[in-house]
Amino acid sequence: AQSVAQPEDQVNVAEGNPLTVKCTYSVSGNPYLFWYVQYPNRGLQFLLKYITGDNLVKGSYGFEAEFNKSQTSFHLKKPSALVSDSALYFCAVRAPYSSASKIIFGSGTRLSIRP
Amino acid sequence: SAVISQKPSRDICQRGTSLTIQCQVDSQVTMMFWYRQQPGQSLTLIATANQGSEATYESGFVIDKFPISRPNLTFSTLTVSNMSPEDSSIYLCSGRTGENYGYTFGSGTRLTVV
Repeated sequence: AQSVAQPEDQVNVAEGNPLTVKCTYSVSGNPYLFWYVQYPNRGLQFLLKYITGDNLVKGSYGFEAEFNKSQTSFHLKKPSALVSDSALYFCAVRAPYSSASKIIFGSGTRLSIRP
Repeated sequence: SAVISQKPSRDICQRGTSLTIQCQVDSQVTMMFWYRQQPGQSLTLIATANQGSEATYESGFVIDKFPISRPNLTFSTLTVSNMSPEDSSIYLCSGRTGENYGYTFGSGTRLTVV
């Protein structure tokens, strides 16, 4: 069975500083990995995904994530945080070769960027 | 990418009644999914909506409580039946959009049962 963990409930960063939101996964085979962002009273917005290829994936709003197979991690990063990045972030995983195609979400990390 | 229109956006319902949530996609999607989310918390998968066959439910969710329809590749409904206050939550639909493994989400339905 696939699972994903986000060990930090909250991450606080000063504006302009780099940010990292952590994610680890457990799945048989090579995973499909996703990051989504949710602003208050809004649906989920897609940020980026890793399916195959380069381990460093670039996504929307200047975010990127690095797939690390040995550490089973897919941490979300941004070189310089903005106050507008404050939101709830979800990591998600899908098992490859699964006919079900479902994705499972982590518990979420609330990112707070202070001016 | 596909756009999913979900309605209603919110509703307040009496216990014992039922509410049907609709999701309309602007293009055909191979798979659709229904999730439940407590505000500020993670998403829990309720079921996968299969076109032309019964939905596939996750552990803890049953068809009698959450009947799902998927009459075609662009539309699905979730009904929350015989509601109780414990059903108060945000319900989201999602569609898998094509070969690039993208998943798009509706804007959610905030349900309050009183």
